[in-house]
Amino acid sequence: KQEVTQIPAALSVPEGENLVLNCSFTDSAIYNLQWFRQDPGKGLTSLLLIQSSQREQTSGRLNASLDKSSGRSTLYIAASQPGDSATYLCAVSLFYNNNDMRFGAGTRLTVKP
Amino acid sequence: NAGVTQTPKFRVLKTGQSMTLLCAQDMNHEYMYWYRQDPGMGLRLIHYSVGEGTTAKGEVPDGYNVSRLKKQNFLLGLESAAPSQTSVYFCASSWGDRYTEAFFGQGTRLTVV
Repeated sequence: KQEVTQIPAALSVPEGENLVLNCSFTDSAIYNLQWFRQDPGKGLTSLLLIQSSQREQTSGRLNASLDKSSGRSTLYIAASQPGDSATYLCAVSLFYNNNDMRFGAGTRLTVKP
Repeated sequence: NAGVTQTPKFRVLKTGQSMTLLCAQDMNHEYMYWYRQDPGMGLRLIHYSVGEGTTAKGEVPDGYNVSRLKKQNFLLGLESAAPSQTSVYFCASSWGDRYTEAFFGQGTRLTVV
């Protein structure tokens, strides 16, 4: 059974710091991996999607990497800003089921001014 | 653009009562999903639909029913609510499988007392 773990559960950093969020999954048979952002009382917004054949994706100050063989992904946020404060979720799309995606519990990030 | 809209946003039910959550999307997406999010856990898939008139079970379908009579709407029903169904429910839609360009609603917070 695919399990997705995100550590730490919460992280607080000063503004301007570069940071890394971690995601691990137990079954390497994934189709893709996505990183989402969730703001309080709002839905999820997809930030980056990495196909299983890719190693990384970049969007602005965000860079996500994928090491499928070791079951790990990282989300790197450069020059963090207070507006980056949110919960970040990673999710893997199962290789053997087109329509099921397994989520981690998320990392709650606070960027202090 | 409305995107994915969930109705209602909040609801309190008594044990044994029934209710229906409505998800509406205006992007002509074929795929729609219902998830629940519980504290300390990732989102878990309840049911999904790959097109009008189709539904399928996800990871945690027990106690829920769904219908997709119109392409733009995906309904989630609780026939006899239980306290274990207290959760935040999210609807999502995507144009293709594997959650390609998936959009999420803002969530429905349901409390069963």
